[in-house]
Amino acid sequence: EVQLVESGGGLVQPGGSLRLSCAASGFTFSDHYMDWVRQAPGKGLEWVGHIRNKANSHTTEYAASVKGRFTISRDDSKNSLNLQMNSLKTEDTGVYYCARKDFYDRSGAFDYWGQGTLVTVSS
Amino acid sequence: DIQMTQSPSSLSASVGDRVTITCRASQSISRYLNWYQQKPGKAPKLLIYAASGLQSGVPSRFSGSGSGTDFTLTISSLQPEDFATYYCHQSYSAPPEDTFGQGTKLEMK
Repeated sequence: EVQLVESGGGLVQPGGSLRLSCAASGFTFSDHYMDWVRQAPGKGLEWVGHIRNKANSHTTEYAASVKGRFTISRDDSKNSLNLQMNSLKTEDTGVYYCARKDFYDRSGAFDYWGQGTLVTVSS
Repeated sequence: DIQMTQSPSSLSASVGDRVTITCRASQSISRYLNWYQQKPGKAPKLLIYAASGLQSGVPSRFSGSGSGTDFTLTISSLQPEDFATYYCHQSYSAPPEDTFGQGTKLEMK
């Protein structure tokens, strides 16, 4: 059974940093692209960024709203995905989901999601 | 970036109704269009991928159609568990810059 479990959320002051993690199990993690998607309270879904698989050199892409502040990384030996968030702003508040992107069979759809972890940026 | 516009933003319907939600892309995205269902406090769930592919385990009352810029999600006969918010998502952009529609909240009439 595929499972994605996020951790690391919490309360942080504007300008601060936070590191989120996502523990993956039940599939060959190193084969898959992985993404972060967030949702501000009462709002819709916003794509945050993406890291490719080992075959594609673990390259990353980011939404304009977080580029230069957020960094996505992964440790395939630990089946772990990370999101380092620096220079946090109040508008970064929300639930952060890790999601598996399936390019093999589903044209880039997010076929599995974690339960989410809440990040609150407030003074 | 590619903008995704869903309509309507909210919809009231009854059990047994046929419901259609539309999603329009600001440029052609071929069939790289996916649909998700989200219930309060829960993660989104994939329903339809690549415009019309039914995700494993999703009831056959859900269907998707379209290509290019215009897409639809149809629920053929609403069930009580279908009241939720639905999002479309384009996975066409390269390099990736995925975008979602603003969501359609489906409420019980």
